[in-house]
Amino acid sequence: GESVGLHLPTLSVQEGDNSIINCAYSNSASDYFIWYKQESGKGPQFIIDIRSNMDKRQGQRVTVLLNKTVKHLSLQIAATQPGDSAVYFCAESGGSARQLTFGSGTQLTVLP
Amino acid sequence: GAGVSQSPSNKVTEKGKDVELRCDPISGHTALYWYRQSLGQGLEFLIYFQGNSAPDKSGLPSDRFSAERTGGSVSTLTIQRTQQEDSAVYLCASSFRARPGASGETQYFGPGTRLLVL
Repeated sequence: GESVGLHLPTLSVQEGDNSIINCAYSNSASDYFIWYKQESGKGPQFIIDIRSNMDKRQGQRVTVLLNKTVKHLSLQIAATQPGDSAVYFCAESGGSARQLTFGSGTQLTVLP
Repeated sequence: GAGVSQSPSNKVTEKGKDVELRCDPISGHTALYWYRQSLGQGLEFLIYFQGNSAPDKSGLPSDRFSAERTGGSVSTLTIQRTQQEDSAVYLCASSFRARPGASGETQYFGPGTRLLVL
């Protein structure tokens, strides 16, 4: 079936470095993509989203890049801080589906 | 309220018992979703409500699971005859509207209910 997957289950970065978290999707009908951050014991927190008519969108310290040709999504975090340590999920929806399909998550650890 | 709230935050029950989980969406949000998250896993869609339309139940894993949304606001997820494999975090989300790609479709999540079936 259609799925959204993440390339790496864990990512460790030095504080102050930039982080890049990648995500691949297989549903060609996907037209809406979203990144969530989930800290231990909490629900997912919205970070940034992007629609399929765009290939880049920037927020505060975060950038999402969408490559529809290879069905790839990435989240870039600038100047990573200890508070960025969490699990990051990509999710997508498309066609008539209104629910989100989530990837399995990437654990980001920021090293001092 | 300011965000999605869920209760209880934690629930421990015995196998075979029924449980009810509650979700209060963000005021004014017409769409409400239930997801399940097993330990260390991503989120699995369960059910979705949009306004007064019939709910999309396509993600419910068995007929032991049901949900209702009263008055277009509060929702209750009921699990009957709980099994150990039902142990998970049950997350609720709401959005202003549900049409993908439209403004206002961002889903905001509550803190979840951690269910443990012994």
